[in-house]
Amino acid sequence: DTAVSQTPKYLVTQMGNDKSIKCEQNLGHDTMYWYKQDSKKFLKIMFSYNNKELIINETVPNRFSPKSPDKAHLNLHINSLELGDSAVYFCASSQVTSGFSYNEQFFGPGTRLTVL
Amino acid sequence: ELKVEQNPLFLSMQEGKNYTIYCNYSTTSDRLYWYRQDPGKSLESLFVLLSNGAVKQEGRLMASLDTKARLSTLHITAAVHDLSATYFCAVDGMWGSQGNLIFGKGTKLSVKP
Repeated sequence: DTAVSQTPKYLVTQMGNDKSIKCEQNLGHDTMYWYKQDSKKFLKIMFSYNNKELIINETVPNRFSPKSPDKAHLNLHINSLELGDSAVYFCASSQVTSGFSYNEQFFGPGTRLTVL
Repeated sequence: ELKVEQNPLFLSMQEGKNYTIYCNYSTTSDRLYWYRQDPGKSLESLFVLLSNGAVKQEGRLMASLDTKARLSTLHITAAVHDLSATYFCAVDGMWGSQGNLIFGKGTKLSVKP
């Protein structure tokens, strides 16, 4: 009964390919996020969805396209992969409405993407 | 630009010793989060500090928040090997409690026998 799950855990692919990462949360949260962790362990927000609506879209190449079919799922599709896309991508979720005054986020296990 | 700075970035300790990790931030947020990440693993929420003067403790870890100084500390008491991990502090981003978190660069802690 994993709270936030991601697939795949590892993804090795060639430059120029298109790939997708899937994320699901069973916590009943209304907001989901994609973060990128680079080789120096620095974590940076990419996207955020609240109830299937995009609310944060940081400066990310438009080769990255998130999609939220429902509030429990947030997928990330990446077109024309580049070497610099190699990183660990974390999905997270939190409950930001219903009177919550803080934003404790729960993270998935991560997807390690290696572009060759 | 919102900034979160941790120091030290690397910390090698002997078992049984005490040490403190510092987290300075540039926002006026009164909320601060601490996470732990083991190598190759996810981020695990350790503490959520919600107000000035907040102090939380779990086991050998104690976190505190001084919103006036924009400073949080994570104190380690009598370190043990199991505490070896990378510790991140984070604050709310520009969307406040309805948005992303801004993370520090992390403090990699190594506890040696």
